[in-house]
Amino acid sequence: AQSVAQPEDQVNVAEGNPLTVKCTYSVSGNPYLFWYVQYPNRGLQFLLKYITGDNLVKGSYGFEAEFNKSQTSFHLKKPSALVSDSALYFCAVTQRHSGNTPLVFGKGTRLSVIA
Amino acid sequence: GAVVSQHPSWVICKSGTSVKIECRSLDFQATTMFWYRQFPKQSLMLMATSNEGSKATYEQGVEKDKFLINHASLTLSTLTVTSAHPEDSSFYICSARDRAWAGTSGQGEQFFGPGTRLTVL
Repeated sequence: AQSVAQPEDQVNVAEGNPLTVKCTYSVSGNPYLFWYVQYPNRGLQFLLKYITGDNLVKGSYGFEAEFNKSQTSFHLKKPSALVSDSALYFCAVTQRHSGNTPLVFGKGTRLSVIA
Repeated sequence: GAVVSQHPSWVICKSGTSVKIECRSLDFQATTMFWYRQFPKQSLMLMATSNEGSKATYEQGVEKDKFLINHASLTLSTLTVTSAHPEDSSFYICSARDRAWAGTSGQGEQFFGPGTRLTVL
């Protein structure tokens, strides 16, 4: 079974400081990993994904994430946070074997960037 | 990028009525669409996987007779909440995967609709 853990319900960071939103996963095979962001009463917006290749993945809005196979982690990072980054962030995983497998989401982490 | 729309964006209905939610992929064809439900301050829970031209696959605990899913074309899937009750009030989100990834060992990302807020009085 696949699962995703986001250990922090809430992350607070000052504007301009680096931010990290943690994610660990569990799959039986090789994972496909995703980060999505959700603003109030909106659907999910895709930020980035890891499929294969370089462990450091760069995505939208200056976000990046590092795939660490030994630690089964895929933490989301940004060097300098903006107030507009305040939102709900979801990590998701699926197992590589077909194109029709659904995503399994973590519970979400609310990021609050304080001016 | 790929766009998925949902209609309506919000709906208020009386208990006992049925509500239909549409999910459309606007600039790509989607063999597979997914329907999720999200309660306040909680994660997305997969309800069902909708495959064009075949019956939907429902997750355990989801009543298929209550949540009717139809995927009649490569760009449209509908979710009908039949005989809605207040406990069905939730945020319903659909997603679609580009047909180009279907049947491959690859994994394109899912594109999500903006969601539909259902309130049952």
